[in-house]
Amino acid sequence: SYVLTQPPSVSVAPGQTATITCGGNNIGSKSVHWYQQKPGQAPVLVVYNDNDRPSGIPEQFSASNSGNTATLTISRVEAGDEADYYCQVWDSTSDHYVFGTGTKVTVL
Amino acid sequence: QVQLQESGPGLVKPSETLSLTCTVSGYSISSGYYWAWIRQPPGKGLEWIGSIYHSGITFYNPSLKSRVTLSVDTSKNQFSLRLTSVTAADTAVYYCAKRGAPTYFDYWGQGTLVAVSS
Repeated sequence: SYVLTQPPSVSVAPGQTATITCGGNNIGSKSVHWYQQKPGQAPVLVVYNDNDRPSGIPEQFSASNSGNTATLTISRVEAGDEADYYCQVWDSTSDHYVFGTGTKVTVL
Repeated sequence: QVQLQESGPGLVKPSETLSLTCTVSGYSISSGYYWAWIRQPPGKGLEWIGSIYHSGITFYNPSLKSRVTLSVDTSKNQFSLRLTSVTAADTAVYYCAKRGAPTYFDYWGQGTLVAVSS
C-alpha cells in the first residue's frame, strides 16, 4: 500500500519559517492535501490540491509538490501554529485515502 | 455552514460491534458528496476507515474491509459506521467527515472517543 512519510517533529522560532515534508513514491503525480490538528481538536484542512487554501486560512500557509516530496511551508510562525500537521492523498491504485505519519510543529 | 456530530457508545467490549452515527446539519446528504469515517488511536496518526455516497455506494480501507459496514439514512440526514469483532487496537477517536471535491476532507465532526475494554 502507498506510504507517506513525514518527519516526527519540526521546531521553529517565532517569526521564522517552518518547513514540513511529506515523502511518497511519485507523490508529484497526486494531489496532496494538508491538515492542522491542535490538541484535543479535529483536523482542519489548511491546504488542498497541492497549494490551494480554503477560505479563512491565512496566506502564511503555502505548499508545493514535485517528484517524491510534497512540502508545507508556514511563514512567520506564531505560537498559535503549534500543532500536528498531516499530509493526505488519494491512492488510486488501492482505492483508498492515505494520511502521512504526522509532524509535530513546536514553536520555541 | 456544514456541521457534523458523532454519537454512540464510548465503551465497547472486546469481540462486540462498535456502532456510531454521524448527524449532518447545514447540508443535505442527498445533495451529493461522499461522507467518511476516519479514526485516530490515542497518540497516533489518522486512518481512513471508509466512505459512503448518498445512494449507498461505499468503499472501504482494505485493512478494515472485512469488519466495516457503512450505511446512510437520508431521511434523518445521517450516516453510520459498524465495526465488528473489535479489539483493543480499535480504541480510537472516531471522526466523521465530508469529502470535498475531489479527494480531501473539508468538514469534520469534533470526534468521539471509543474505548474497547471489558
